[in-house]
Amino acid sequence: DAGITQSPRHKVTETGTPVTLRCHQTENHRYMYWYRQDPGHGLRLIHYSYGVKDTDKGEVSDGYSVSRSKTEDFLLTLESATSSQTSVYFCAISEQGAFSFNIETQYFGPGTRLLVL
Amino acid sequence: KQEVTQIPAALSVPEGENLVLNCSFTDSAIYNLQWFRQDPGKGLTSLLLIQSSQREQTSGRLNASLDKSSGRSTLYIAASQPGDSATYLCAVVTGNQFYFGTGTSLTVIP
Repeated sequence: DAGITQSPRHKVTETGTPVTLRCHQTENHRYMYWYRQDPGHGLRLIHYSYGVKDTDKGEVSDGYSVSRSKTEDFLLTLESATSSQTSVYFCAISEQGAFSFNIETQYFGPGTRLLVL
Repeated sequence: KQEVTQIPAALSVPEGENLVLNCSFTDSAIYNLQWFRQDPGKGLTSLLLIQSSQREQTSGRLNASLDKSSGRSTLYIAASQPGDSATYLCAVVTGNQFYFGTGTSLTVIP
């Protein structure tokens, strides 16, 4: 298994509270991604990073920010959590960019279950 | 916007049966299509990746086909086993976005 860990694995918070989720990799892959998974919607891309300090928005980026100060860590922040952000959040990594004709797959972390009350 | 649909949402089969999972997408301008497996409470594991120029890929008992013109892909699982029980997701890459289907939950009954 690719060396990807997510912390925390479970979190319960209240509306309006800031929340930061961490993704840590030991593979030295350049690309890192944050997804959310919700019933009826499948996985949707929130943000991704293509290098240290280089990030871009995904399909559902509103209400989320990210930061990547080191190759191995990619942080997802909910500045002011809302109930609509209750979800399972997955981090993924890839050595090369996955949005291209290159043959590339992503490796996923175990997920973080977030409940916003 | 690309939409990915997987039918059926759930499937239950006896052990040893061959089965087909379906994935359809609305925009044929894809870079590639991938099939993933997700076990309960776990992340996704990539099974097969088909580039847009390819028609199929095989790995062991799994065979995935791609028909871009009709916007369809199938995942064929031969001689199913209880260990194959999981949710199977397909995903396509269009532009700078991944689009996932909602998955087919497969149960293989011993």
